[in-house]
Amino acid sequence: IAGITQAPTSQILAAGRRMTLRCTQDMRHNAMYWYRQDLGLGLRLIHYSNTAGTTGKGEVPDGYSVSRANTDDFPLTLASAVPSQTSVYFCASRTGQGGYEQFFGPGTRLTVL
Amino acid sequence: AQSVAQPEDQVNVAEGNPLTVKCTYSVSGNPYLFWYVQYPNRGLQFLLKYITGDNLVKGSYGFEAEFNKSQTSFHLKKPSALVSDSALYFCAVRDDNSGYSTLTFGKGTMLLVSP
Repeated sequence: IAGITQAPTSQILAAGRRMTLRCTQDMRHNAMYWYRQDLGLGLRLIHYSNTAGTTGKGEVPDGYSVSRANTDDFPLTLASAVPSQTSVYFCASRTGQGGYEQFFGPGTRLTVL
Repeated sequence: AQSVAQPEDQVNVAEGNPLTVKCTYSVSGNPYLFWYVQYPNRGLQFLLKYITGDNLVKGSYGFEAEFNKSQTSFHLKKPSALVSDSALYFCAVRDDNSGYSTLTFGKGTMLLVSP
């Protein structure tokens, strides 16, 4: 593994179903983030984690939950998917020490029908 | 909250010509500014950042950006565009909120470089 990986690459999901998007990083970064990207809206922060064991809400957290059991993994769960959650989801991380640039995974394209 | 604006949805330029992708910012305090590029079906790639120091920042792939405090701008530039530069470009600003520090992104500018 090099950098950030996300799985699955894409998924079609029936409304009402539960879905977990996976994110793993091997850079030992403290901070991790989940964004959704929608046409004309740019990237919007869903949830974040400053360090393992802590999480917080971003700009658009409703309908999503996260956990951070260890440094490397930061899964995003949709408890009961709705069509408005159709989007491309990106996981990102940063060291937590200066710089502030974030490094992004390749994304998961999710379609909720 | 901090914010950035990218006034152009799309920029068209011919290969070999200079390119500029515009970004203006609104911050309280000193701005930390970033540019990212996104190629089709890919994640965002970090290009460059301004934290402090020289107003002209050099980054990856021959790109540079000019920080202008009086105009609150951070435009991305390249002296000679390549067709392979065609992509979606995002400007971002560091945003310190209650409990966390993240980036706030502009809506993006599509750069199309024609042969």
